[in-house]
Amino acid sequence: AQSVSQHNHHVILSEAASLELGCNYSYGGTVNLFWYVQYPGQHLQLLLKYFSGDPLVKGIKGFEAEFIKSKFSFNLRKPSVQWSDTAEYFCAVIPASNTGKLIFGQGTTLQVKP
Amino acid sequence: NAGVTQTPKFRILKIGQSMTLQCTQDMNHNYMYWYRQDPGMGLKLIYYSVGAGITDKGEVPNGYNVSRSTTEDFPLRLELAAPSQTSVYFCASSSGQGGSNQPQHFGDGTRLSIL
Repeated sequence: AQSVSQHNHHVILSEAASLELGCNYSYGGTVNLFWYVQYPGQHLQLLLKYFSGDPLVKGIKGFEAEFIKSKFSFNLRKPSVQWSDTAEYFCAVIPASNTGKLIFGQGTTLQVKP
Repeated sequence: NAGVTQTPKFRILKIGQSMTLQCTQDMNHNYMYWYRQDPGMGLKLIYYSVGAGITDKGEVPNGYNVSRSTTEDFPLRLELAAPSQTSVYFCASSSGQGGSNQPQHFGDGTRLSIL
C-alpha cells in the first residue's frame, strides 16, 4: 500500500538552530509532494509543493525542501528556526494515479524554545 | 475571503446519536475532501468528491456518509455515533484545474467528542 513516513515525531530545538524533517514515501511512479503546516489551534496551510522541475523547492517563511527521487524522499529544511515555527508539520503525497487523494504522513511536532 | 467553512467548530454527542458536519467552499472548487485527524496518526481520508453528484470512499469510510448535491457543499453524516469517531474532522477543497493534484485548502476543523 502507498504510504508516507515521517521519521521524527517530536522535535525540540532552540531558536536559530537548523531544522531538517525527514519524509519518505512508498510509491514507484510519478508523485506530487507537499508539506503542510498546522499552527496551534489552526487549520492546515500549504508550506510548499513539488510537481516537477528543480528538485529544490522554496516555500513560505524560509522553508525549503529537496526531492530526491532515488531515495523516495522529500525532506523539509530551514536554516534558522524561530519560536513562531512551533507547529505540527505534515508531509503529503499524491501519486499520479490517484484522483487528488492526498496521503499524509503521521506528522512531526516541532517545538522551538525561545 | 471565506475559503472553506466548517460548522460546528465543537460538538459533543452521545453514543448512538447522529449528526451532520457541514462544509461549504466559495472558491468554485470541483474537488472536496473529508479527513479525520487523530493524534500521532496524521490525516486519514474519509470520503472525497470530484464534482457535484460524484462521491467516493477514502481510506476510512466506515460509519460515515456524504452527499454532494452542489459544488459548494459537502456535508459529512454520522448515523450512529461511536466513541471511535471521536476526532478532529477537516474538510478541504481543491480546484482540480491542471489535473487533480492542486494544493488543497483546509477548513478550520470540527472537534467532535462521542461520550
